[in-house]
Amino acid sequence: DQQVKQNSPSLSVQEGRISILNCDYTNSMFDYFLWYKKYPAEGPTFLISISSIKDKNEDGRFTVFLNKSAKHLSLHIVPSQPGDSAVYFCAATPTPGDYKLSFGAGTTVTVRA
Amino acid sequence: NAGVMQNPRHLVRRRGQEARLRCSPMKGHSHVYWYRQLPEEGLKFMVYLQKENIIDESGMPKERFSAEFPKEGPSILRIQQVVRGDSAAYFCASSPPRIGTTNTGELFFGEGSRLTVL
Repeated sequence: DQQVKQNSPSLSVQEGRISILNCDYTNSMFDYFLWYKKYPAEGPTFLISISSIKDKNEDGRFTVFLNKSAKHLSLHIVPSQPGDSAVYFCAATPTPGDYKLSFGAGTTVTVRA
Repeated sequence: NAGVMQNPRHLVRRRGQEARLRCSPMKGHSHVYWYRQLPEEGLKFMVYLQKENIIDESGMPKERFSAEFPKEGPSILRIQQVVRGDSAAYFCASSPPRIGTTNTGELFFGEGSRLTVL
């Protein structure tokens, strides 16, 4: 039962343009959302998070938007850089600090020079 | 490197053998979590341990799988009598002590151990 879905397995974008990654969830108990980034042969590393009391959180080139009524969130990377080429995982949990994260299957982003 | 250390990185086993995966948490972290990633799927929670205690094993298969985090040494995920369906990447993560909701929920992951069952 996949409670967090990333329907686009891959995304290719030109350097300098915007990358938009989408994530949908089904569990209405989820209230805290995280994005992790993973390079080949490395473990996932935390990128950015958002609580359901907000609809936007920004950190440098990375912005996460949350639409709770649609059970949808997205990650925007502006501008995209070659070093952003990685797999991005969306994750969700009922409360901040909960260790039991539900992950999506990931979206592989390739930034073309 | 003070990150989460996992070994082996790659492990090949034949059906029926045992697999042991080891994880040393980040320095200063006392909480360890194991996640499994099957092909084409997201990471799935298996177990949460503190030193000498299993806190939550709700994601662990009921048979053949066990985990421990002894007072000394790394955490170990043990899979007995492996089957082909156990082939996956097993990620260990660690965190500092969890203090209410001040924790951002960030888990620090290791590089993973990829198990292949022939």
